[in-house]
Amino acid sequence: AQTVTQSQPEMSVQEAETVTLSCTYDTSESDYYLFWYKQPPSRQMILVIRQEAYKQQNATENRFSVNFQKAAKSFSLKISDSQLGDAAMYFCAYGPGGNNNDMRFGAGTRLTVKP
Amino acid sequence: DAGITQSPRHKVTETGTPVTLRCHQTENHRYMYWYRQDPGHGLRLIHYSYGVKDTDKGEVSDGYSVSRSKTEDFLLTLESATSSQTSVYFCAIRGQGAYNEQFFGPGTRLTVL
Repeated sequence: AQTVTQSQPEMSVQEAETVTLSCTYDTSESDYYLFWYKQPPSRQMILVIRQEAYKQQNATENRFSVNFQKAAKSFSLKISDSQLGDAAMYFCAYGPGGNNNDMRFGAGTRLTVKP
Repeated sequence: DAGITQSPRHKVTETGTPVTLRCHQTENHRYMYWYRQDPGHGLRLIHYSYGVKDTDKGEVSDGYSVSRSKTEDFLLTLESATSSQTSVYFCAIRGQGAYNEQFFGPGTRLTVL
């Protein structure tokens, strides 16, 4: 089964600085998707950014961008110009292609933003 | 907002009692999912549905059953709750886009004493 590993249980960043959250995954499939979800204290799971395995170009969404290294099976999230509202748990997720519904999540990284 | 609601939002129950959690969606999505969230494990899939009366097991299905008699409602039942089922439960739907991304409800915190 596919696994997702987030090796940093906790990270902290100074407001306005840049932080990178790490994620690695294991799969033998060629067709898949990768996601980062944010979970603030409200508990709501919010989709931050997504990447299709076939696309070499790294996805970006405003201050959020990813570094997708397919050969290394690495999918890190970079948050630029960190804001207090970025403080949350961040989950990396692997989604199979086709109609396979077995999405796998990492254990999460808790990000603290210091003013 | 994918139009997903969960009820109840909080529940405390005792070991051995049956519990049913409800997920309701308003946008006619075909695929619906139930996850549980526990510290150190992220989210793990319990069951999912790919249509009315069509369901399948996920990674951690033991002790849980589901039903989907209408497109908009997906029920998760704990036939006899145990303390190990204390968790936060999330319902999700699969979006209509090309990425198979999932969108989540607000979650239900269940405590089994």
